Amino acid sequence: DQQVKQNSPSLSVQEGRISILNCDYTNSMFDYFLWYKKYPAEGPTFLISISSIKDKNEDGRFTVFLNKSAKHLSLHIVPSQPGDSAVYFCAATYYSGTYKYIFGTGTRLKVLA
Amino acid sequence: GAVVSQHPSWVICKSGTSVKIECRSLDFQATTMFWYRQFPKQSLMLMATSNEGSKATYEQGVEKDKFLINHASLTLSTLTVTSAHPEDSSFYICSARDGGESPLHFGNGTRLTVT
Repeated sequence: DQQVKQNSPSLSVQEGRISILNCDYTNSMFDYFLWYKKYPAEGPTFLISISSIKDKNEDGRFTVFLNKSAKHLSLHIVPSQPGDSAVYFCAATYYSGTYKYIFGTGTRLKVLA
Repeated sequence: GAVVSQHPSWVICKSGTSVKIECRSLDFQATTMFWYRQFPKQSLMLMATSNEGSKATYEQGVEKDKFLINHASLTLSTLTVTSAHPEDSSFYICSARDGGESPLHFGNGTRLTVT
């Protein structure tokens, strides 16, 4: 049962344009959402997060949008840069005795120069 | 801040031997650490939650006798893959939180190859 889904395994975007990565979830208990960036043979790096009480959080070129009614979140990167090329994972969590973080399957972003 | 160090970064071992992977939180105390496993082109799969001073909580389908987890202090958790087999070859990543509702911070992972 995949509680967090990233339906696009890959995405290619031209440098300077906007990259939009999507994530859907099924568990309405999730109340904190995160995006991570991962290069091969490295651990994921935290990018940005959003609490369920918000619908938008922005940090520099990265903005995360949360639509609770649709159980959908997205990561916008603008402008996209070649160094953004990586695999992006969304994750969700809620407290149930402990925080358990569930990850999506990842989207490979390729930014073309 | 919030640095997680994992060691070794890669290891090759023979089938039947055991391998220990260490995960340390360098600048914060972590009462809880998490161990993930990633297969090629797949998501991060949570294996177990490591709790300082108590037994780890394993996810369904993860053999607790095969993947021994010890969380002896607030800054160190270890994962020991016992009697390793080639199918245990994978990328193992640990992570920890710096308290409350905060992001997970990951180590750089350990690439295990069992021959």
